[in-house]
Amino acid sequence: RKEVEQDPGPFNVPEGATVAFNCTYSNSASQSFFWYRQDCRKEPKLLMSVYSSGNEDGRFTAQLNRASQYISLLIRDSKLSDSATYLCVVNLNRDDKIIFGKGTRLHILP
Amino acid sequence: EAGVAQSPRYKIIEKRQSVAFWCNPISGHATLYWYQQILGQGPKLLIQFQNNGVVDDSQLPKDRFSAERLKGVDSTLKIQPAKLEDSAVYLCASSLDPSGTQYFGPGTRLTVT
Repeated sequence: RKEVEQDPGPFNVPEGATVAFNCTYSNSASQSFFWYRQDCRKEPKLLMSVYSSGNEDGRFTAQLNRASQYISLLIRDSKLSDSATYLCVVNLNRDDKIIFGKGTRLHILP
Repeated sequence: EAGVAQSPRYKIIEKRQSVAFWCNPISGHATLYWYQQILGQGPKLLIQFQNNGVVDDSQLPKDRFSAERLKGVDSTLKIQPAKLEDSAVYLCASSLDPSGTQYFGPGTRLTVT
């Protein structure tokens, strides 16, 4: 099993719809989790951290399921500007090791 | 606040040539990362520095890649000699500490012909 796995997509979603995707991780000792967004030919930028209790930022909701070892990202009322690649990041705080997933491509269709 | 600076932005070299990239992290950030991102894939960590010490270089191809952060601020990444498969975007990122948010520079797009 890969350390961090994401469905590469692409997810083609009509504007206004809700879309969700998951990221699974293999090491149960993982401590910190993040979602980054990367636009085409740009650098990754932090979208949100993922807390044990789950967290919400506007239309975006991130959740952590430690039992099943995955994190999720939910986007409500999707906008054309949400089209990007979403990267899952897992931090093994024990040895400060950072692992990026390969990303999930999202296309919001007008 | 100034972001992470990288140069050059683009570089085209022939295989077997050498190349060096430079990164200036956000002021005060102790942790610095170099990533390689091949088209269609997520960033792959090459090396992580904490101040001027190496925390993780397990995925750095040490026969051809080297990196340093002598004074714990700026860093350089070198490839010598380059191979065709080194064509990628090289991203530098920094964070206050290893568990903190990483801020990325614009990257250097390397093409090896």
